[in-house]
Amino acid sequence: QKEVEQDPGPLSVPEGAIVSLNCTYSNSAFQYFMWYRQYSRKGPELLMYTYSSGNKEDGRFTAQVDKSSKYISLFIRDSQPSDSATYLCAMRGQGAQKLVFGQGTRLTINP
Amino acid sequence: KAGVTQTPRYLIKTRGQQVTLSCSPISGHRSVSWYQQTPGQGLQFLFEYFSETQRNKGNFPGRFSGRQFSNSRSEMNVSTLELGDSALYLCASRDGDIQYFGAGTRLSVL
Repeated sequence: QKEVEQDPGPLSVPEGAIVSLNCTYSNSAFQYFMWYRQYSRKGPELLMYTYSSGNKEDGRFTAQVDKSSKYISLFIRDSQPSDSATYLCAMRGQGAQKLVFGQGTRLTINP
Repeated sequence: KAGVTQTPRYLIKTRGQQVTLSCSPISGHRSVSWYQQTPGQGLQFLFEYFSETQRNKGNFPGRFSGRQFSNSRSEMNVSTLELGDSALYLCASRDGDIQYFGAGTRLSVL
């Protein structure tokens, strides 16, 4: 069983929809949680960074962390075709710099 | 500031050869990490260097090695290439808690 589980999709939604992306994890030592976006033939780009449990909002993006359930989410409001990409969750423990990634979810926003 | 630069962007090698990939971190960043990305396994951590010292190593065979120079530039070497080494190799430089990734080197082993 992988430390971080993420549904690879693909996920296809119409423009303007709210998108929900999720990851579950098994290592209770993880304390830092990130979402990266990766366009085709590009490297991952950091979208959201959260420490411990709680919510964080940045524009159309909201990240949620529920450490009691070992579950993290990324919500995208008013989705745009330019949001079409692969979304990767990543996490690490205190003092560790090694990131553990989910498999990535391929998302397509249809105009 | 310029981002993380990886060279070359594409490489084609044959089984048994060796390969060296290069990474120039963002100016001022002293930590460089390497990751392998494949469709089957996703992104997996290879190793991290800080101030020319390897600080962490992932679960990869000894054929995978790296080093970091005094200017923080890093190289990764894979010896005796296998077909399964075909992947996108990503380098990330770190500023505090945030890792910034380069565009990667896509290695194809024939």
